[in-house]
Amino acid sequence: DAGVIQSPRHEVTEMGQEVTLRCKPISGHDYLFWYRQTMMRGLELLIYFNNNVPIDDSGMPEDRFSAKMPNASFSTLKIQPSEPRDSAVYFCASGTTPYNEQFFGPGTRLTVL
Amino acid sequence: SQQGEEDPQALSIQEGENATMNCSYKTSINNLQWYRQNSGRGLVHLILIRSNEREKHSGRLRVTLDTSKKSSSLLITASRAADTASYFCAYGSFQKLVFGTGTRLLVSP
Repeated sequence: DAGVIQSPRHEVTEMGQEVTLRCKPISGHDYLFWYRQTMMRGLELLIYFNNNVPIDDSGMPEDRFSAKMPNASFSTLKIQPSEPRDSAVYFCASGTTPYNEQFFGPGTRLTVL
Repeated sequence: SQQGEEDPQALSIQEGENATMNCSYKTSINNLQWYRQNSGRGLVHLILIRSNEREKHSGRLRVTLDTSKKSSSLLITASRAADTASYFCAYGSFQKLVFGTGTRLLVSP
């Protein structure tokens, strides 16, 4: 298996633009997680899905952020409109339970100017 | 915040020396895990210790868990330059993982 795949790896955009991050989890993993990593706040869980259904979105910062999982092999995290404070590395991870080993993708480094 | 706290924040050692990192947490847990992150990369799972275990070994890694003190430690023995990375603890609690603040380890040749 290729592991968790994320795209794009780098994204530079201007404030106010819509940003869409993509993730393909490992086949057979029922759980998919979106994290954000910054120097100031460390690694934060934004939302996670179980069998394509959002289970806990308490970490989503505000209504500008939305996440979907239309099928078992694809998820998106969208920011609209983007702001400079959204600049961070966004990781997708997958696993077979919500609190055991998680497999991380390489991340998307987002810069909002 | 439920975020785990790690210390030290940064650690610099020579190859061959041992490195010890500590993690403290605030809630009851199912397990505690350690991950490594190389610069610019995703996190990689290293080891998991369950709440009813006190010590676990994997290669050059040794993890201890003291649930009465809500703390864990990761020992890397005979360190190598390739061990240079950030190390994060993560505890499984309330149906999700909560990550610590991380320790940056630098191993010099």
